Amino acid sequence: DAKTTQPPSMDCAEGRAANLPCNHSTISGNEYVYWYRQIHSQGPQYIIHGLKNNETNEMASLIITEDRKSSTLILPHATLRDTAVYYCIVRPRSANTGNQFYFGTGTSLTVIP
Amino acid sequence: EAGVAQSPRYKIIEKRQSVAFWCNPISGHATLYWYQQILGQGPKLLIQFQNNGVVDDSQLPKDRFSAERLKGVDSTLKIQPAKLEDSAVYLCASSDRGTGGTGNTIYFGEGSWLTVV
Repeated sequence: DAKTTQPPSMDCAEGRAANLPCNHSTISGNEYVYWYRQIHSQGPQYIIHGLKNNETNEMASLIITEDRKSSTLILPHATLRDTAVYYCIVRPRSANTGNQFYFGTGTSLTVIP
Repeated sequence: EAGVAQSPRYKIIEKRQSVAFWCNPISGHATLYWYQQILGQGPKLLIQFQNNGVVDDSQLPKDRFSAERLKGVDSTLKIQPAKLEDSAVYLCASSDRGTGGTGNTIYFGEGSWLTVV
Protein backbone atom coordinates (compact mmCIF):
# COMPACT_ATOMS: atom_id res chain seq x y z
CA ASP A 1 0.00 0.00 0.00
CA ALA A 2 1.27 3.45 -0.91
CA LYS A 3 2.43 5.51 2.01
CA THR A 4 3.59 8.40 -0.13
CA THR A 5 2.03 10.70 -2.73
CA GLN A 6 4.11 12.26 -5.48
CA PRO A 7 3.17 14.23 -8.60
CA PRO A 8 3.43 11.96 -11.63
CA SER A 9 5.63 14.32 -13.62
CA MET A 10 7.60 17.57 -13.43
CA ASP A 11 9.79 19.66 -15.69
CA CYS A 12 12.82 21.69 -14.70
CA ALA A 13 15.11 23.99 -16.69
CA GLU A 14 18.73 22.93 -16.90
CA GLY A 15 20.85 24.72 -14.32
CA ARG A 16 17.92 25.55 -12.10
CA ALA A 17 17.01 23.86 -8.84
CA ALA A 18 14.62 20.95 -9.09
CA ASN A 19 12.27 20.67 -6.11
CA LEU A 20 10.46 17.35 -5.92
CA PRO A 21 7.67 17.15 -3.33
CA CYS A 22 6.42 14.12 -1.46
CA ASN A 23 3.50 13.80 0.91
CA HIS A 24 3.64 11.16 3.65
CA SER A 25 0.89 12.34 5.97
CA THR A 26 0.58 8.99 7.78
CA ILE A 27 4.27 8.68 8.61
CA SER A 28 5.00 7.47 12.11
CA GLY A 29 7.79 8.52 14.41
CA ASN A 30 10.06 5.58 13.64
CA GLU A 31 9.83 5.79 9.86
CA TYR A 32 12.57 7.09 7.59
CA VAL A 33 12.08 8.97 4.32
CA TYR A 34 14.22 7.63 1.49
CA TRP A 35 14.72 8.95 -2.02
CA TYR A 36 15.86 6.90 -4.99
CA ARG A 37 15.95 7.68 -8.67
CA GLN A 38 15.84 5.49 -11.72
CA ILE A 39 17.35 6.59 -14.99
CA HIS A 40 15.99 4.81 -18.03
CA SER A 41 17.35 1.27 -18.45
CA GLN A 42 19.15 1.35 -15.11
CA GLY A 43 18.41 0.07 -11.62
CA PRO A 44 17.23 2.44 -8.89
CA GLN A 45 19.99 4.59 -7.43
CA TYR A 46 20.04 5.66 -3.79
CA ILE A 47 20.06 9.44 -3.33
CA ILE A 48 19.49 10.36 0.29
CA HIS A 49 17.46 9.55 3.38
CA GLY A 50 16.45 11.21 6.64
CA LEU A 51 14.40 10.81 9.78
CA LYS A 52 13.49 14.32 10.91
CA ASN A 53 16.44 16.60 10.31
CA ASN A 54 17.26 18.10 6.94
CA GLU A 55 20.03 16.24 5.16
CA THR A 56 22.50 17.15 2.43
CA ASN A 57 24.99 15.12 0.45
CA GLU A 58 26.87 15.51 -2.79
CA MET A 59 23.81 14.64 -4.83
CA ALA A 60 20.93 16.45 -3.19
CA SER A 61 19.30 17.99 -0.16
CA LEU A 62 16.33 16.60 1.71
CA ILE A 63 14.02 18.98 3.52
CA ILE A 64 11.54 17.37 5.92
CA THR A 65 8.76 19.51 7.41
CA GLU A 66 8.58 19.86 11.16
CA ASP A 67 5.47 17.68 11.38
CA ARG A 68 7.21 15.17 9.04
CA LYS A 69 4.12 14.87 6.88
CA SER A 70 5.90 15.98 3.76
CA SER A 71 9.37 16.36 2.33
CA THR A 72 11.13 17.92 -0.64
CA LEU A 73 14.10 16.59 -2.53
CA ILE A 74 16.21 19.40 -3.95
CA LEU A 75 18.64 18.96 -6.83
CA PRO A 76 20.43 22.30 -6.63
CA HIS A 77 21.59 22.63 -10.24
CA ALA A 78 19.70 20.20 -12.44
CA THR A 79 21.49 18.76 -15.46
CA LEU A 80 20.15 16.72 -18.36
CA ARG A 81 21.53 13.61 -16.67
CA ASP A 82 19.12 14.17 -13.78
CA THR A 83 16.20 13.25 -16.02
CA ALA A 84 14.78 10.19 -14.28
CA VAL A 85 11.93 8.80 -12.20
CA TYR A 86 12.30 9.83 -8.55
CA TYR A 87 10.84 7.65 -5.82
CA CYS A 88 10.01 8.82 -2.32
CA ILE A 89 9.82 5.89 0.10
CA VAL A 90 8.82 5.66 3.74
CA ARG A 91 10.08 2.68 5.63
CA PRO A 92 10.08 1.70 9.29
CA ARG A 93 13.26 2.04 11.29
CA SER A 94 12.80 -1.54 12.46
CA ALA A 95 11.95 -2.91 9.03
CA ASN A 96 13.18 -6.42 8.52
CA THR A 97 11.99 -6.98 5.01
CA GLY A 98 12.50 -5.23 1.69
CA ASN A 99 8.75 -5.51 1.22
CA GLN A 100 8.55 -2.48 3.45
CA PHE A 101 10.51 -0.53 0.84
CA TYR A 102 7.42 0.35 -1.19
CA PHE A 103 8.34 2.27 -4.35
CA GLY A 104 5.02 3.40 -5.81
CA THR A 105 5.16 5.03 -9.25
CA GLY A 106 7.32 8.05 -8.45
CA THR A 107 7.76 11.42 -10.20
CA SER A 108 9.11 11.52 -13.72
CA LEU A 109 11.45 14.52 -13.83
CA THR A 110 12.42 15.94 -17.21
CA VAL A 111 15.26 18.45 -17.29
CA ILE A 112 14.84 20.75 -20.25
CA PRO A 113 17.84 22.29 -22.03
CA GLU B 1 33.65 -0.69 -4.54
CA ALA B 2 32.03 -2.96 -7.11
CA GLY B 3 28.26 -2.75 -7.31
CA VAL B 4 25.63 -5.43 -7.63
CA ALA B 5 26.28 -7.51 -10.73
CA GLN B 6 23.54 -9.16 -12.76
CA SER B 7 23.38 -11.27 -15.89
CA PRO B 8 22.14 -11.65 -18.49
CA ARG B 9 21.26 -8.05 -19.19
CA TYR B 10 18.60 -8.91 -21.76
CA LYS B 11 16.70 -12.11 -22.52
CA ILE B 12 13.91 -12.95 -24.94
CA ILE B 13 12.13 -16.29 -24.57
CA GLU B 14 8.92 -17.89 -25.73
CA LYS B 15 6.12 -18.54 -23.29
CA ARG B 16 6.38 -21.83 -21.43
CA GLN B 17 10.17 -21.77 -21.73
CA SER B 18 12.44 -21.36 -18.72
CA VAL B 19 14.95 -18.66 -17.85
CA ALA B 20 17.47 -18.06 -15.09
CA PHE B 21 19.00 -14.84 -13.82
CA TRP B 22 22.18 -14.57 -11.81
CA CYS B 23 23.16 -12.00 -9.20
CA ASN B 24 26.36 -11.25 -7.32
CA PRO B 25 25.77 -8.77 -4.48
CA ILE B 26 28.14 -6.15 -3.13
CA SER B 27 30.97 -7.87 -1.25
CA GLY B 28 30.10 -8.44 2.38
CA HIS B 29 26.39 -7.73 2.02
CA ALA B 30 24.44 -10.35 3.92
CA THR B 31 21.02 -9.44 2.58
CA LEU B 32 20.00 -10.01 -1.03
CA TYR B 33 16.72 -9.07 -2.69
CA TRP B 34 15.03 -9.87 -5.98
CA TYR B 35 12.52 -7.34 -7.28
CA GLN B 36 10.26 -7.43 -10.31
CA GLN B 37 9.58 -4.18 -12.14
CA ILE B 38 6.84 -4.11 -14.76
CA LEU B 39 6.97 -1.25 -17.24
CA GLY B 40 5.53 1.94 -15.75
CA GLN B 41 5.48 0.64 -12.20
CA GLY B 42 7.85 0.74 -9.26
CA PRO B 43 9.86 -2.32 -8.24
CA LYS B 44 8.02 -5.00 -6.26
CA LEU B 45 9.84 -7.35 -3.90
CA LEU B 46 9.77 -11.02 -4.89
CA ILE B 47 12.11 -12.56 -2.33
CA GLN B 48 14.61 -11.53 0.33
CA PHE B 49 17.52 -13.61 1.63
CA GLN B 50 19.52 -13.06 4.79
CA ASN B 51 22.75 -14.98 4.14
CA ASN B 52 21.38 -18.21 2.64
CA GLY B 53 18.02 -18.17 4.44
CA VAL B 54 14.75 -16.78 3.09
CA VAL B 55 13.37 -13.82 5.08
CA ASP B 56 10.37 -12.95 2.91
CA ASP B 57 9.00 -14.69 -0.17
CA SER B 58 5.36 -13.78 0.33
CA GLN B 59 5.04 -12.20 -3.13
CA LEU B 60 6.96 -14.84 -5.06
CA PRO B 61 4.69 -16.85 -7.43
CA LYS B 62 6.01 -20.17 -6.20
CA ASP B 63 4.27 -22.24 -8.84
CA ARG B 64 6.65 -20.87 -11.45
CA PHE B 65 9.33 -18.81 -9.72
CA SER B 66 12.16 -20.14 -7.60
CA ALA B 67 15.28 -18.59 -6.13
CA GLU B 68 18.26 -19.84 -4.23
CA ARG B 69 21.34 -18.47 -2.53
CA LEU B 70 23.15 -21.65 -1.62
CA LYS B 71 26.43 -20.30 -0.22
CA GLY B 72 25.11 -17.01 1.05
CA VAL B 73 26.70 -14.96 -1.73
CA ASP B 74 25.50 -15.35 -5.34
CA SER B 75 21.86 -15.95 -6.11
CA THR B 76 19.84 -17.34 -8.99
CA LEU B 77 16.22 -16.55 -9.84
CA LYS B 78 14.45 -19.01 -12.13
CA ILE B 79 11.16 -18.83 -13.96
CA GLN B 80 9.64 -22.02 -15.33
CA PRO B 81 7.39 -22.02 -17.27
CA ALA B 82 7.35 -18.36 -18.28
CA LYS B 83 4.14 -16.50 -19.03
CA LEU B 84 3.61 -13.38 -21.09
CA GLU B 85 2.93 -11.36 -17.93
CA ASP B 86 6.40 -12.20 -16.63
CA SER B 87 7.85 -9.68 -19.08
CA ALA B 88 9.59 -7.24 -16.76
CA VAL B 89 12.92 -6.11 -15.41
CA TYR B 90 14.28 -8.34 -12.66
CA LEU B 91 16.34 -6.32 -10.23
CA CYS B 92 18.76 -7.75 -7.74
CA ALA B 93 19.72 -5.64 -4.74
CA SER B 94 21.76 -6.02 -1.58
CA SER B 95 22.28 -4.40 1.79
CA ASP B 96 24.68 -5.09 4.60
CA ARG B 97 22.32 -5.52 7.53
CA GLY B 98 18.90 -6.07 6.10
CA THR B 99 16.54 -3.15 6.29
CA GLY B 100 16.52 -2.91 10.06
CA GLY B 101 18.64 -0.60 12.10
CA THR B 102 19.26 3.05 11.59
CA GLY B 103 18.56 3.78 7.97
CA ASN B 104 20.15 0.90 6.18
CA THR B 105 20.33 1.37 2.43
CA ILE B 106 19.50 -1.03 -0.40
CA TYR B 107 21.75 -0.94 -3.48
CA PHE B 108 20.45 -2.15 -6.83
CA GLY B 109 22.00 -3.77 -9.86
CA GLU B 110 21.29 -2.71 -13.45
CA GLY B 111 18.59 -5.33 -13.87
CA SER B 112 17.86 -8.19 -16.25
CA TRP B 113 15.28 -7.33 -18.91
CA LEU B 114 13.00 -10.24 -19.77
CA THR B 115 10.64 -10.30 -22.73
CA VAL B 116 8.32 -13.29 -23.05
CA VAL B 117 6.79 -13.69 -26.51
